[in-house]
Amino acid sequence: EAGVVQSPRYKIIEKKQPVAFWCNPISGHNTLYWYLQNLGQGPELLIRYENEEAVDDSQLPKDRFSAERLKGVDSTLKIQPAELGDSAVYLCASSLGFGIRETQYFGPGTRLLVL
Amino acid sequence: SQQGEEDPQALSIQEGENATMNCSYKTSINNLQWYRQNSGRGLVHLILIRSNEREKHSGRLRVTLDTSKKSSSLLITASRAADTASYFCATDETGANNLFFGTGTRLTVIP
Repeated sequence: EAGVVQSPRYKIIEKKQPVAFWCNPISGHNTLYWYLQNLGQGPELLIRYENEEAVDDSQLPKDRFSAERLKGVDSTLKIQPAELGDSAVYLCASSLGFGIRETQYFGPGTRLLVL
Repeated sequence: SQQGEEDPQALSIQEGENATMNCSYKTSINNLQWYRQNSGRGLVHLILIRSNEREKHSGRLRVTLDTSKKSSSLLITASRAADTASYFCATDETGANNLFFGTGTRLTVIP
């Protein structure tokens, strides 16, 4: 069974440029999560989708970040414009059922460097 | 924000020794989970312990939970070089809908 797929794995951009990350969850998983992980820290939730509905986006900086999960399968996370402080690893995870008590399966992440 | 704090931040041991990592948290929880993250990879779920459980085993892993002290420990017995990774606790806080991850313990097992 394929795991959570993320692309690109690495991205280097200049500040003020836009950037987008893509995630394909495990087939059949209903819940999808985007996390931000700073160096030496644990992941912090940005947004959680149940099917195509964003059920928790309270930690998403909505002035520059946006996300979508059309058709309730794969998802994109966008930053526009990127700032130096956005340099981090962006992790996508999915779980079979709904709610946070389901085991989450993580992708390898996209490492973003903003210059 | 992050709920848990792992201790120590870094741990280096010889292969075959046991490794113990601790996690402290601040509020009441439904359960606590431990994850492993290899360098440059995503997190892998290891074990979940519910708030009404005190100890749980899975292979070479042993997790304890003390809700009165708001702390948990992860013990890895007979460590192997392949156990080298960062280990995170994550709390399912009562009344919240998020998992809150700690800051992690970086374990190095020397062959």
